[in-house]
Amino acid sequence: GENVEQHPSTLSVQEGDSAVIKCTYSDSASNYFPWYKQELGKGPQLIIDIRSNVGEKKDQRIAVTLNKTAKHFSLHITETQPEDSAVYFCAAIPMDSSYKLIFGSGTRLLVRP
Amino acid sequence: DAMVIQNPRYQVTQFGKPVTLSCSQTLNHNVMYWYQQKSSQAPKLLFHYYDKDFNNEADTPDNFQSRRPNTSFCFLDIRSPGLGDAAMYLCATSDRDNGFNEQFFGPGTRLTVL
Repeated sequence: GENVEQHPSTLSVQEGDSAVIKCTYSDSASNYFPWYKQELGKGPQLIIDIRSNVGEKKDQRIAVTLNKTAKHFSLHITETQPEDSAVYFCAAIPMDSSYKLIFGSGTRLLVRP
Repeated sequence: DAMVIQNPRYQVTQFGKPVTLSCSQTLNHNVMYWYQQKSSQAPKLLFHYYDKDFNNEADTPDNFQSRRPNTSFCFLDIRSPGLGDAAMYLCATSDRDNGFNEQFFGPGTRLTVL
């Protein structure tokens, strides 16, 4: 079955710097890769996603890249702000399941003012 | 605004005392999910409903049950909560019939077991 690994587990950056979180997946048939942001005491919020037929997607300060050959995808946050501080989860949905999100272990991002 | 609503936000129960958590949605999505999330971990899928069809995950304990009386509402019943069931419980929805994989989460219910 699908397995998603996420690195780093914690990341501390200075406000205004960029942050990059990386995930690798094992099932080459996986075709959907969302990123969730979870603030303390709240539910995960979908912030961006990418499908396997696209290599990159951008939404303002957030971008996701996908390398199907290497089976990894990354979240890029530019010009970080203190409100970006949260736990970020990557996930994948394998081809043989249209519903089951396989989550990475999460990255705790701290943006220092 | 279309959304996923969970009530209550905080629930305290006693060891062994049944508890029910509720979820409602205004998105009119055909799939509703229940996840358990323990501290510093990723959400773990317990089960989901695709319309009225119930789909249990293989490793979900029998202590956890679910009901979906209509499209908008879904309930999580914990028959005999143990200390290990203390966690955040998340409800999510998706619109599978239109080919969308996106899952939208509610704010969660934090369950404390005394």
